Amino acid sequence: AQSVSQHNHHVILSEAASLELGCNYSYGGTVNLFWYVQYPGQHLQLLLKYFSGDPLVKGIKGFEAEFIKSKFSFNLRKPSVQWSDTAEYFCAVTPFSGGYNKLIFGAGTRLAVHP
Amino acid sequence: EAGVAQSPRYKIIEKRQSVAFWCNPISGHATLYWYQQILGQGPKLLIQFQNNGVVDDSQLPKDRFSAERLKGVDSTLKIQPAKLEDSAVYLCASSGGDTQYFGPGTRLTVL
Repeated sequence: AQSVSQHNHHVILSEAASLELGCNYSYGGTVNLFWYVQYPGQHLQLLLKYFSGDPLVKGIKGFEAEFIKSKFSFNLRKPSVQWSDTAEYFCAVTPFSGGYNKLIFGAGTRLAVHP
Repeated sequence: EAGVAQSPRYKIIEKRQSVAFWCNPISGHATLYWYQQILGQGPKLLIQFQNNGVVDDSQLPKDRFSAERLKGVDSTLKIQPAKLEDSAVYLCASSGGDTQYFGPGTRLTVL
């Protein structure tokens, strides 16, 4: 079955530390890839997405992600985190099948940034 | 533009009772989704509509869950009767292309 794995369930960092959140998916065909973020008390928001082209994708608030097809990975990075980045981060995949964009989510990574 | 609207935001019911959730998608979005998010897990698709037709309900527990999208705009999701394991956040999303936009969700607690 198609699935998405996020390696860390909880991450604690100090401000200015670098961040990398892992994401791997199991699907051999073409995929669209997404990272969504949920800030405390808010709804899921799109952080960035990859459909095709340059495998290094830049999103909002200084986040970027790199698609490595050979590793089935789409890791999220930020060089220097801020307290306001405290949130839950979800990796999601849309496998190309039948033309309908069904999202398959990972379990999420809860990030806490301490000042 | 206005986002996806959902109501109610919170609902507490006892097991075996029924409950309904409402969603109003972003104007013009043809595709509407209902997801279930259990605590500690990522959202899981329950049902997907394209206009007012169902395109994927493979993970909808049809013995107790039902959903409709009348006139291809608003949608309701119903649970009857509810079980303890239905406690979750129910998310509605809509899409006009390749990206889905989510509403705030309805947090359901079944006692």
